[in-house]
Amino acid sequence: DTGVSQDPRHKITKRGQNVTFRCDPISEHNRLYWYRQTLGQGPEFLTYFQNEAQLEKSRLLSDRFSAERPKGSFSTLEIQRTEQGDSAMYLCASSLRGGEKLFFGSGTQLSVL
Amino acid sequence: AQTVTQSQPEMSVQEAETVTLSCTYDTSESDYYLFWYKQPPSRQMILVIRQEAYKQQNATENRFSVNFQKAAKSFSLKISDSQLGDAAMYFCAYSSGAGSYQLTFGKGTKLSVIP
Repeated sequence: DTGVSQDPRHKITKRGQNVTFRCDPISEHNRLYWYRQTLGQGPEFLTYFQNEAQLEKSRLLSDRFSAERPKGSFSTLEIQRTEQGDSAMYLCASSLRGGEKLFFGSGTQLSVL
Repeated sequence: AQTVTQSQPEMSVQEAETVTLSCTYDTSESDYYLFWYKQPPSRQMILVIRQEAYKQQNATENRFSVNFQKAAKSFSLKISDSQLGDAAMYFCAYSSGAGSYQLTFGKGTKLSVIP
């Protein structure tokens, strides 16, 4: 169990640029989740994969956001044409089953200038 | 939609003392899970304790225990013998039954431990 890893840890970008984050879940976990956390708030659900299938997307996930999980392994979250309101920490988590413990990564802190 | 409310934005406790963090939730479901997560300055969310709603017995994990009141929809966390390393943000979270994919978090309580 090497844990959930996320890359990069910090990302600073200019408004209008595209950014991509990567998440490597725990290898035997078939469920992968993306959450967003803004200052002073708890994490908010963005999207969920079971294996390579994206099964649910939150209303928070506008059409500028896209997530993939090719081959059911690592996942990427891309934000196109970033806006200042996208500044947040993006957390990835994985689990074996629903209702079970989620293992979180350390997040990617995005700052949009 | 389910909601989770943490009414204490900040709490403090003397080292070695006991502190209780409050959490209430709203749901119409009968099968669900409740969690307390800790987020230290390193930012990684760490599971502290998990409670299955169908279990009447309160969950315990070493110095951490919960008071689960299903009828009142209350789920408080008690930390005994507080240690400096307990200082962190604590989030209460709710998840529907076994097929659930989504956690709903409260806004968190910042716990400070005074030496």
